[in-house]
Amino acid sequence: AQSVTQLDSQVPVFEEAPVELRCNYSSSVSVYLFWYVQYPNQGLQLLLKYLSGSTLVKGINGFEAEFNKSQTSFHLRKPSVHISDTAEYFCAVRRGSGYSTLTFGKGTMLLVSP
Amino acid sequence: NAGVTQTPKFRVLKTGQSMTLLCAQDMNHEYMYWYRQDPGMGLRLIHYSVGEGTTAKGEVPDGYNVSRLKKQNFLLGLESAAPSQTSVYFCASSSSGRMNTGELFFGEGSRLTVL
Repeated sequence: AQSVTQLDSQVPVFEEAPVELRCNYSSSVSVYLFWYVQYPNQGLQLLLKYLSGSTLVKGINGFEAEFNKSQTSFHLRKPSVHISDTAEYFCAVRRGSGYSTLTFGKGTMLLVSP
Repeated sequence: NAGVTQTPKFRVLKTGQSMTLLCAQDMNHEYMYWYRQDPGMGLRLIHYSVGEGTTAKGEVPDGYNVSRLKKQNFLLGLESAAPSQTSVYFCASSSSGRMNTGELFFGEGSRLTVL
């Protein structure tokens, strides 16, 4: 079975500063990795995904994530955040072959202040 | 393009009452899911379906039942609501087949309060 750990429940940051949201996973098989974003009072939407190939994945709204197999990590980064990036971010993992459901982390609340 | 639609969006129940949440998707997706979201717990899978007429248990299925009589609809039922079922419920769907990468499309959520 796969599992996901998001190391920070809340990350406060000032506008225009860089940010990194950490995600570690555990799995004995190959995996697909995802980051989802949830804006207040909305459902989740896909930010980016890693399936295979280049370990640096670019997503929407200027976010990117790097897959590191040796450290079993998939950290999310943005070089300069905006107030509108305030949201909860979820890392998720699924088995990389056959059918399996997604397992979500507990989420990281990104709080961007002026 | 509606995507995934959940009804109702808000509901207050008394302990012991029953209710059904309806999820409808217009993307012709094979797979559908019900999650619950609680503070500090992330999203936990309640039940899911890999096709019309099929259902399977997720991580936290107790106290819930589901049905998938039509491909586009996935119903979540609470037979006897308990305060522990106070939560925000999300429905999601995904495509199947060789190109299935597991990306989920979510509804906007249904906030349920059990008194």
